[in-house]
Amino acid sequence: DAKTTQPPSMDCAEGRAANLPCNHSTISGNEYVYWYRQIHSQGPQYIIHGLKNNETNEMASLIITEDRKSSTLILPHATLRDTAVYYCIVRPLSSGSARQLTFGSGTQLTVLP
Amino acid sequence: DADVTQTPRNRITKTGKRIMLECSQTKGHDRMYWYRQDPGLGLRLIYYSFDVKDINKGEISDGYSVSRQAQAKFSLSLESAIPNQTALYFCATSETGGQGQETQYFGPGTRLLVL
Repeated sequence: DAKTTQPPSMDCAEGRAANLPCNHSTISGNEYVYWYRQIHSQGPQYIIHGLKNNETNEMASLIITEDRKSSTLILPHATLRDTAVYYCIVRPLSSGSARQLTFGSGTQLTVLP
Repeated sequence: DADVTQTPRNRITKTGKRIMLECSQTKGHDRMYWYRQDPGLGLRLIYYSFDVKDINKGEISDGYSVSRQAQAKFSLSLESAIPNQTALYFCATSETGGQGQETQYFGPGTRLLVL
């Protein structure tokens, strides 16, 4: 899987938008960008994924640059419950064998009251 | 994710004991996985199953076994527990989208302590 780089930590005020960046300059054409988060000791939670177009769902928006070398996860109105470690992962399309979901070091997002 | 459940949520056992961790899903997914997570480390794949008749070893299968009783159920067994199997265990399921992209969904985890 392509390597990703994320800032180790970020703070965000409650109610404001949280913008989490991710660099993936070695991404290949068939690789998707996925975002997961993990609240302390809970199961990782899928947030969103995309290939090259911007994506939005009920949790977040994903903005991918035109050259696909970086992306930004946007939580539009952060709440205290959004405090978690956020992982940006680049994965190729599914193949016949399972691909372990590999988390890097991620970004610890702290939402402040 | 309530669609993937794990039991028990916490377990304390002694060295040498056999224990089973269970996972059930209502997502209707064919693929299921068992991972472990150790403090400060990422996820490591133990076993995975693409359907009821398909079981495959992951990165760290030694000391573990699995059973896929049905599409919705995937159990992990520690035949003879040892202290370095103390970890957080996650079950996951996955679906494959129309373009071949695979999304994994995780259960809440089982915290296991082996004394």
